[in-house]
Amino acid sequence: QVTLKESGPVLVKPTETLTLTCTVSGFSLDNAKMGVSWIRQPPGKALEWLAHIFSNDETSCSTSLKSRLTVSKDTSRSQVVLSMTNMDPVDTATYYCARTRGAYGSGTYYSDYWGQGTLVTVSS
Amino acid sequence: DIVMTQSPDSLAVSLGERATINCKSSQSVLFSSNNKNYLAWYQQKVGQPPKLLIYWASTRESGVPDRFSGSGSGTDFSLTISSLQPEDVAVYYCQQYYTTPQTFGQGTKLEIK
Repeated sequence: QVTLKESGPVLVKPTETLTLTCTVSGFSLDNAKMGVSWIRQPPGKALEWLAHIFSNDETSCSTSLKSRLTVSKDTSRSQVVLSMTNMDPVDTATYYCARTRGAYGSGTYYSDYWGQGTLVTVSS
Repeated sequence: DIVMTQSPDSLAVSLGERATINCKSSQSVLFSSNNKNYLAWYQQKVGQPPKLLIYWASTRESGVPDRFSGSGSGTDFSLTISSLQPEDVAVYYCQQYYTTPQTFGQGTKLEIK
């Protein structure tokens, strides 16, 4: 059974760095045919793709947020970590991690399993 | 970035009737070398994460009822629910994965009339 679970702070202050962890089970982070993506959703708004990490540790990030994002993984712990610097109130959103099909070189495809998401509020 | 535009923004359909949601991409998402459209559809119910319904524009995910179908190619796509059920009330999103960054449509809210 494939599961993903996001964890991290529910409240961060402006200018702080957000660090979220996605713990996965039911698949391995070194499976070459899949990776993990981060997607966020501001309250009442649409989904926004943030970043992806492939099995070989290569990453791909949103063009507009690239300077603020870092994605890494610890395969032995089945964890993927997203860091976003210089948080702002507009970054208030539910952050999801999702298993995403695709391989490095062929690109990222669709996301077939999603975590429940974690709501992060940015406020002083 | 590829812009995905869905229509309508909201839709009310009677139970048992057909519902159709449209999605248009600002550039083609058809990859000519494999003749695949890099487009997916997701369903999001209130308080839940998105659920994958359709990928490669028309391939139904395992376990998804066959009343859901996807069609289209290039820049114009549709998601059709052939006979609306109460549990289909949700927001539906299209997503292109032809290029990075992946992008989603703004969502279509489907309700019961």
